[in-house]
Amino acid sequence: QLQLQESGPGLVKPSETLSLTCTVSGGSISSSSYYWGWIRQPPGKGLEWIGSIYYSGATYYNPSLKSRVTTSVDTSKNQFSLKLSSVIAADMAVYYCARLVVVFGNTVVGYSDYWGPGTLVTVSS
Amino acid sequence: QSALTQPASVSGSPGQAITISCTGTSTDVGTYNLVSWYQQHPGKAPKLMIYEVSERPSGVSNRFSGSKSGNTASLTISGLQAEDEADYYCCSYAGNSALVFGGGTKLTVL
Repeated sequence: QLQLQESGPGLVKPSETLSLTCTVSGGSISSSSYYWGWIRQPPGKGLEWIGSIYYSGATYYNPSLKSRVTTSVDTSKNQFSLKLSSVIAADMAVYYCARLVVVFGNTVVGYSDYWGPGTLVTVSS
Repeated sequence: QSALTQPASVSGSPGQAITISCTGTSTDVGTYNLVSWYQQHPGKAPKLMIYEVSERPSGVSNRFSGSKSGNTASLTISGLQAEDEADYYCCSYAGNSALVFGGGTKLTVL
């Protein structure tokens, strides 16, 4: 059974960089059938796609966050990571990592079939 | 890339059927048959309920069904049960390997 687990600091100061890692177990991150994504949910609000990364390192980001987001993948550790720079209060959210299923070619993703439990990141000085 | 539009809340009595709409544009829902629906209980991660407009993952009750017409997708839950009370989110592929979510709908089982 595939499992994903987010890890990282739960508290980040304004203007600093949020860093999270997602560890994948029970399956390989190097499969050509999947992207690996980050999705966040501010308290009491809806879901927002942040970005996706392929095992090859190809990345796609939400245009509204693109200037501040960096993702990376470490196939040797079966992990992928998120960095969000210059955080503000509005970046406070539960951050989820998820597996995204490729449905066409190697760029069209259709849906997220596995999610991590999520980790709350608070932005405060 | 704007969020898909969902009603903030819907409600129904046990045994009834309800439908949640999800309205996008011609650049997402209207173009791609890649709408998915997620159920989220408080404090839990979202769970995939429907993918590719109307496909059900293994293990999901056949009381859940999906459809699409033009720029609007819909999730129908028949035979409402207390355990169906949750937040529901739609999501669509939006081109250029991007995804866009709806704002979410709170389902109350009366």
